[in-house]
Amino acid sequence: EPEVTQTPSHQVTQMGQEVILRCVPISNHLYFYWYRQILGQKVEFLVSFYNNEISEKSEIFDDQFSVERPDGSNFTLKIRSTKLEDSAMYFCASSMNTEAFFGQGTRLTVV
Amino acid sequence: KQEVTQIPAALSVPEGENLVLNCSFTDSAIYNLQWFRQDPGKGLTSLLLIQSSQREQTSGRLNASLDKSSGRSTLYIAASQPGDSATYLCASDSGNTGKLIFGQGTTLQVKP
Repeated sequence: EPEVTQTPSHQVTQMGQEVILRCVPISNHLYFYWYRQILGQKVEFLVSFYNNEISEKSEIFDDQFSVERPDGSNFTLKIRSTKLEDSAMYFCASSMNTEAFFGQGTRLTVV
Repeated sequence: KQEVTQIPAALSVPEGENLVLNCSFTDSAIYNLQWFRQDPGKGLTSLLLIQSSQREQTSGRLNASLDKSSGRSTLYIAASQPGDSATYLCASDSGNTGKLIFGQGTTLQVKP
């Protein structure tokens, strides 16, 4: 059964460092998303991506964040200069047009 | 701005009970309502998707209903089992970008 895969499963980084979270969406899907979940809080929308461009982004998704689909299979989230408050579980999701399928997440710990 | 609320926050039941989880949303102009399961420290597994034109969806022991006019959805779990223990999240899709707005979840514990 097709699934969304994310790597790494856990990443520890020092404050101020750049991190890239990687996702391989389901192959025939057209819409791609990043969400995050701070420990004990709701899952929050970060950004949606369609037709090689951002279609919507939240207030959280500021200039420190960027997304890219470099090769038609991978979908990446980059955080340029990490802050302590960026520590969270980051989920990638994809959909054809309705039902969204999520990956297992990357736990990012900023120290 | 869409807000999604789930009640109760936590629920503990003995094995075999039928139970209902509630989800409410403030903006009835939704495209879809999706229910997910999340195990501790894990990802989100899609359980059921109800499109705005539908009233309910069923999968095995799960049944989800949608009442857009009242801004409510329920997830019914029949004959609960210890393996059903998890956090259940509902999310509404209100825009044409597929952005999901999540509730805070109901953490279910089914005791043997």
